Amino acid sequence: GEDVEQSLFLSVREGDSSVINCTYTDSSSTYLYWYKQEPGAGLQLLTYIFSNMDMKQDQRLTVLLNKKDKHLSLRIADTQTGDSAIYFCAESISGNTGKLIFGQGTTLQVKP
Amino acid sequence: SAVISQKPSRDICQRGTSLTIQCQVDSQVTMMFWYRQQPGQSLTLIATANQGSEATYESGFVIDKFPISRPNLTFSTLTVSNMSPEDSSIYLCSVVPGGSNQPQHFGDGTRLSIL
Repeated sequence: GEDVEQSLFLSVREGDSSVINCTYTDSSSTYLYWYKQEPGAGLQLLTYIFSNMDMKQDQRLTVLLNKKDKHLSLRIADTQTGDSAIYFCAESISGNTGKLIFGQGTTLQVKP
Repeated sequence: SAVISQKPSRDICQRGTSLTIQCQVDSQVTMMFWYRQQPGQSLTLIATANQGSEATYESGFVIDKFPISRPNLTFSTLTVSNMSPEDSSIYLCSVVPGGSNQPQHFGDGTRLSIL
């Protein structure tokens, strides 16, 4: 079945770059997403990439997609303490039903 | 993107009771979904809320436990029935605004605790 895997924890210093990695199994996924969840809050859509793209950049965020290895990464440049949150990777299931499969979430800790 | 409002934002309920959660969107949307996030866990899709017909439930979720309504293209409700402590979770509504090539957006969720 479909599965999305993420590392559970990442700690970086303020000002450094953060790279959060994700692997997925459904090779026919149309979209891959990154969501951010701050404590006590809902999910905020950070960015997403269509499966026919290799890279997408949006200000401090860079998404890289390696379809061959089914690997997705999110790079946050100049990480700030406000970036501390849980980051979820999600893949859309083929057939465009709208169903998303989420990874376990990566907790990003940013130290001053 | 659509603005999604969920009510209530949180509640504490007694075992055996039921609670209805509302999801209101500020524009008509084609797809609406309900997810559950158990404590410290990721999100799991409960069902797709279909306008004008019965919801489509995922494996492990049944209509008797999680009845869903979607009377129009901007509103849906999820009821958590006969609650037990295992139902303590965050319940989130999500929508796909516009066409099917749009990304999915989430509400702030309803934090439910069962005593």
